[in-house]
Amino acid sequence: DTGVSQNPRHKITKRGQNVTFRCDPISEHNRLYWYRQTLGQGPEFLTYFQNEAQLEKSRLLSDRFSAERPKGSFSTLEIQRTEQGDSAMYLCASSPGGQGVRRGYTFGSGTRLTVV
Amino acid sequence: RKEVEQDPGPFNVPEGATVAFNCTYSNSASQSFFWYRQDCRKEPKLLMSVYSSGNEDGRFTAQLNRASQYISLLIRDSKLSDSATYLCVVNLYNFNKFYFGSGTKLNVKP
Repeated sequence: DTGVSQNPRHKITKRGQNVTFRCDPISEHNRLYWYRQTLGQGPEFLTYFQNEAQLEKSRLLSDRFSAERPKGSFSTLEIQRTEQGDSAMYLCASSPGGQGVRRGYTFGSGTRLTVV
Repeated sequence: RKEVEQDPGPFNVPEGATVAFNCTYSNSASQSFFWYRQDCRKEPKLLMSVYSSGNEDGRFTAQLNRASQYISLLIRDSKLSDSATYLCVVNLYNFNKFYFGSGTKLNVKP
């Protein structure tokens, strides 16, 4: 399978716990993006990497959120001290760099987080 | 003001109907435009890019009007399988991220 892979698919956690999600992008894509989507809304940008460098972070990404892409391949998104408002679908996407982004992103299946 | 605005719908149409969605974007520096399709509780999937000259892919036609800053999607001969949410997507001048509309929900009924 050469698509974008996300794990886990679903996560239920208690408020205050830490959670970590993983994304494996398409191997030849050097750009990786994290988005968050809540019910009835479109995906909202969280952060993006070019290779291992995190180049941009949204104001939505509070200090409880951290993302890494240590070797420029897979990425992790960690949420510390989860809150009920963090409940959402977390989507990872990848794209080629440069003009390749004009062909659009490829999304993974997402991780659905429920904070109880 | 949101970067991308769409009518949330739902648009309820019979099979075989033609339906059109519009979306407006706020930043005139926007450079790339797309329509994504999203099924319930699934990830968005690229339906088509939108080119300045307009483009067609089977039953789907996308148009871009830069002067009025809107994008349209026309679906001809609607199928039951077209039922989904259609997301309008705009990429700004720096190519670093896409802005998504909230989506327009389409229900195609037998």
